[in-house]
Amino acid sequence: DAKTTQPPSMDCAEGRAANLPCNHSTISGNEYVYWYRQIHSQGPQYIIHGLKNNETNEMASLIITEDRKSSTLILPHATLRDTAVYYCIVRARSRGSYIPTFGRGTSLIVHP
Amino acid sequence: DAMVIQNPRYQVTQFGKPVTLSCSQTLNHNVMYWYQQKSSQAPKLLFHYYDKDFNNEADTPDNFQSRRPNTSFCFLDIRSPGLGDAAMYLCATSRGLADEETQYFGPGTRLLVL
Repeated sequence: DAKTTQPPSMDCAEGRAANLPCNHSTISGNEYVYWYRQIHSQGPQYIIHGLKNNETNEMASLIITEDRKSSTLILPHATLRDTAVYYCIVRARSRGSYIPTFGRGTSLIVHP
Repeated sequence: DAMVIQNPRYQVTQFGKPVTLSCSQTLNHNVMYWYQQKSSQAPKLLFHYYDKDFNNEADTPDNFQSRRPNTSFCFLDIRSPGLGDAAMYLCATSRGLADEETQYFGPGTRLLVL
């Protein structure tokens, strides 16, 4: 089972920031938070990941709370092409390996 | 560009007729995964290979098998497809199975069972 919970859907106006929350209250001390997105009928695409510190790359920013029980993915200037399902993933440890398990994700709709 | 390739993008098969889906990678990654994604659902992991070591998820039906003849290629075999096996099948790779390992996904193969 996924170790994360996300709102099923959100919407955002084009050009505004999209803030996608994720709850991972059972995260362990050394487990990373990963974000992927899946545009309709395509394979998931890696966005960003982090452990404790906030992270930023050319696609997005990731804000992780100090207690690490939740995080927020920020798309600073959403475009119509950012319409997708966004998955927050904390890997489950299974037989010595970290196996990524997808939850239901958040369907983000960016409107004009 | 290094990538994960899945062919074909769309596959049609008949009920009960064996079908094989293909995945190849140019990333030279050790791990290859197969996921099943049904309409409006999240991807569900079926199994993965770490090099030649095969790891099946506990709830993956016996109808689904996989082969990895070399580092670059991995196949998903569905021995007797049922109507419920119609889905998008996603292949992914990663360098390893540590926690900080990014997965790279192919575009998927959409399987239709008639």
